[in-house]
Amino acid sequence: DTEVTQTPKHLVMGMTNKKSLKCEQHMGHRAMYWYKQKAKKPPELMFVYSYEKLSINESVPSRFSPECPNSSLLNLHLHALQPEDSALYLCASSQSQDRVRYGYTFGSGTRLTVV
Amino acid sequence: QKEVEQNSGPLSVPEGAIASLNCTYSDRVSQSFFWYRQYSGKSPELIMSIYSNGDKEDGRFTAQLNKASQYVSLLIRDSQPSDSATYLCAVIQGGSEKLVFGKGTKLTVNP
Repeated sequence: DTEVTQTPKHLVMGMTNKKSLKCEQHMGHRAMYWYKQKAKKPPELMFVYSYEKLSINESVPSRFSPECPNSSLLNLHLHALQPEDSALYLCASSQSQDRVRYGYTFGSGTRLTVV
Repeated sequence: QKEVEQNSGPLSVPEGAIASLNCTYSDRVSQSFFWYRQYSGKSPELIMSIYSNGDKEDGRFTAQLNKASQYVSLLIRDSQPSDSATYLCAVIQGGSEKLVFGKGTKLTVNP
């Protein structure tokens, strides 16, 4: 299995809603990432988990709350989002020893619209 | 100063031509360098990685790295309409787990 699976693929939520994005990989990768990508912009790093511990938070607002329940799963909990948070949310994973050669593997993303 | 810079594009080439994409980076201790292809509405797909100075070839793609000049390039030979996409240069910053992307160059290959 060489895939990163993200669910749901599309999500529309109101500003008072609470929702979660899910990411799963079974490649044995021990680093997982959340990126946010706005239209016509490059992906921007939000969070890095390494060995299930949060190692990097790129000053992301607290309305985004990541969680790594185990080495295969990564969640992003969303609460009280703003319309400007509408974007493509990408999950990625990598194997620490192989990162230099193989980079990160990205999931297909969740297209989030906040109304 | 931008950490990873790419020529702004868009770049348009005829089918069968060579497309040349360029990227510079600011962090001298950056370890490895990647080219991702992203079709509209899709996620980035890794097409080339390089971490040693020189050229690396894979099919129609050649990546070139010059660490002294802090420069990475991607050549696409015999360009096809299916190569039309945005190409993202990405760099793993030295001593970190951060993969940082350039703004991307939109390539159009005209039949």
